[in-house]
Amino acid sequence: EAQVTQNPRYLITVTGKKLTVTCSQNMNHEYMSWYRQDPGLGLRQIYYSMNVEVTDKGDVPEGYKVSRKEKRNFPLILESPSPNQTSLYFCASSLREVPYNEQFFGPGTRLTVL
Amino acid sequence: QKEVEQNSGPLSVPEGAIASLNCTYSDRGSQSFFWYRQYSGKSPELIMSIYSNGDKEDGRFTAQLNKASQYVSLLIRDSQPSDSATYLCAVLARFGNEKLTFGTGTRLTIIP
Repeated sequence: EAQVTQNPRYLITVTGKKLTVTCSQNMNHEYMSWYRQDPGLGLRQIYYSMNVEVTDKGDVPEGYKVSRKEKRNFPLILESPSPNQTSLYFCASSLREVPYNEQFFGPGTRLTVL
Repeated sequence: QKEVEQNSGPLSVPEGAIASLNCTYSDRGSQSFFWYRQYSGKSPELIMSIYSNGDKEDGRFTAQLNKASQYVSLLIRDSQPSDSATYLCAVLARFGNEKLTFGTGTRLTIIP
């Protein structure tokens, strides 16, 4: 089954404790993205990657890091989480030929930073 | 001015009627436009993509793009209760800057 998986699905942590949210896709997609969704602000792109070792900032990259060492994986790293990073996070992937066309989203990770 | 603007709603439409959802964008060089549907507590799912001026139809859904007016819309014909969801408009910036920007979404309720 074609899918994007994220782990963990739910996470409660404390300020300053480094964490990683994993994302993996099994569709051989080149494009992968991370988004956060907040009430009233909608879905905002954090980082995107056009292929292995190629990443770029989205609209809200501050406080986040990403890496793309393998085509299927695109982890999101919060080196020192803060309460304003409490949000619902989505990973997504799509083919490169037409960027973001047929973009598949993962199930989401709900993060709470205390 | 927000890059992508949508009326947040809620928009209430009787079952069987046409629902019309609108979106405006600020970057005149934008190249690709997408409509996503998101049910409460679920992930967004792509409904339509449109790249050139005019209408694009897929079943009960029609996307309309007017680049001169920087306006994209989604029409849902014969609205069903299962169409009740939040609809997100997304715009891909011009070539060389491949950020995808979403509007805040319009919440649609179909009234039986």
